[in-house]
Amino acid sequence: DAKTTQPTSMDCAEGRAANLPCNHSTISGNEYVYWYRQIHSQGPQYIIHGLKNNETNEMASLIITEDRKSSTLILPHATLRDTAVYYCIVSYRDDKIIFGKGTRLHILP
Amino acid sequence: GAVVSQHPSWVICKSGTSVKIECRSLDFQATTMFWYRQFPKQSLMLMATSNEGSKATYEQGVEKDKFLINHASLTLSTLTVTSAHPEDSSFYICSARELGQGHGYTFGSGTRLTVV
Repeated sequence: DAKTTQPTSMDCAEGRAANLPCNHSTISGNEYVYWYRQIHSQGPQYIIHGLKNNETNEMASLIITEDRKSSTLILPHATLRDTAVYYCIVSYRDDKIIFGKGTRLHILP
Repeated sequence: GAVVSQHPSWVICKSGTSVKIECRSLDFQATTMFWYRQFPKQSLMLMATSNEGSKATYEQGVEKDKFLINHASLTLSTLTVTSAHPEDSSFYICSARELGQGHGYTFGSGTRLTVV
């Protein structure tokens, strides 16, 4: 059963911030929110994770609501190379990853 | 960063033959690796968890006699598709992480299997 809900697809103009939402209303206290992306015909790539606090790394920022029932992945300056399927996953740290359908992000030139 | 190497990147085989796919963790030891497959325009589906030195754990609906998994060392897991048929044509992907170290799994680049 999917633990997360994401929009099927989104468009974003090149150079703008891409904001990808994810709902995870049944998340448990010790479960993390992970984001991965898969560029066409490649293996998925880990982007970022968080537990309660907002997080930022060289790739993206992760904003988690205070009740932890939803989160947003932010790609601050989207480029054409960010076109991919983005997966929001909720799991315990060492658990296997079960992928949902993800969000297909199109970056428009 | 952590690198997972998968080989071959693509393979074409005749129906009825077997194909072996290798997954190696290049700069870390992985007691656990995961195998997925992905059909066109679909998400990744977890097939099995590969455990070093013990039997793999298969997800419901995955035939363990058809998809043989061997994890003989801390850096290598293999998936053998036995008696392959055209419906086994798919994109097979492995992942791994050094247990207890950091977060997030590293994925291989995938193997595209075509059975003719």
